[in-house]
Amino acid sequence: GEDVEQSLFLSVREGDSSVINCTYTDSSSTYLYWYKQEPGAGLQLLTYIFSNMDMKQDQRLTVLLNKKDKHLSLRIADTQTGDSAIYFCAESMSTSYDKVIFGPGTSLSVIP
Amino acid sequence: NAGVMQNPRHLVRRRGQEARLRCSPMKGHSHVYWYRQLPEEGLKFMVYLQKENIIDESGMPKERFSAEFPKEGPSILRIQQVVRGDSAAYFCASSDQDLNTEAFFGQGTRLTVV
Repeated sequence: GEDVEQSLFLSVREGDSSVINCTYTDSSSTYLYWYKQEPGAGLQLLTYIFSNMDMKQDQRLTVLLNKKDKHLSLRIADTQTGDSAIYFCAESMSTSYDKVIFGPGTSLSVIP
Repeated sequence: NAGVMQNPRHLVRRRGQEARLRCSPMKGHSHVYWYRQLPEEGLKFMVYLQKENIIDESGMPKERFSAEFPKEGPSILRIQQVVRGDSAAYFCASSDQDLNTEAFFGQGTRLTVV
């Protein structure tokens, strides 16, 4: 069946890099997403990657995809206290949001 | 441009009561999605609606749960005769098309059944 797994907690020091990992089971996934949820807020799309890509970089964010191992990671360079949030990995075979499968979320705590 | 608005933010219901959760999509959006998040789990899709139509309800429990998105007004997720297992965060998202468009999420309604 379809499943997305993430570790639930990550703690890093301000200024260090954070790496949030995710594994998924559906090899036919075409779209892989990272969402951020700040306290009391809704989910915000951070970035996404197509399954035919290995890497995508956007300012401090780097997404790496290992399709063979079905492993997705989000690296945040120079982590700031404002990056403290829950990060959800999600995968889908289409862009229709009734088909998106979310992971449980990784709670990132940034220590000043 | 206000984002997706959900209310109430927090809702407490006794077992057996009804819960009504409201979602006002972003202006101009005609597609609404409801998700449920249980503790330490990911968001699980429940139902996808367009104005006055249910497009996909494959994630909805067969009993006690219903959803609507009328021509005028917000989308409503209704849970009848709530049980403790219904306690969760319920998120709504909206988009202006069902393909190739980002969906925007609301802040969620946290339902607690006591």
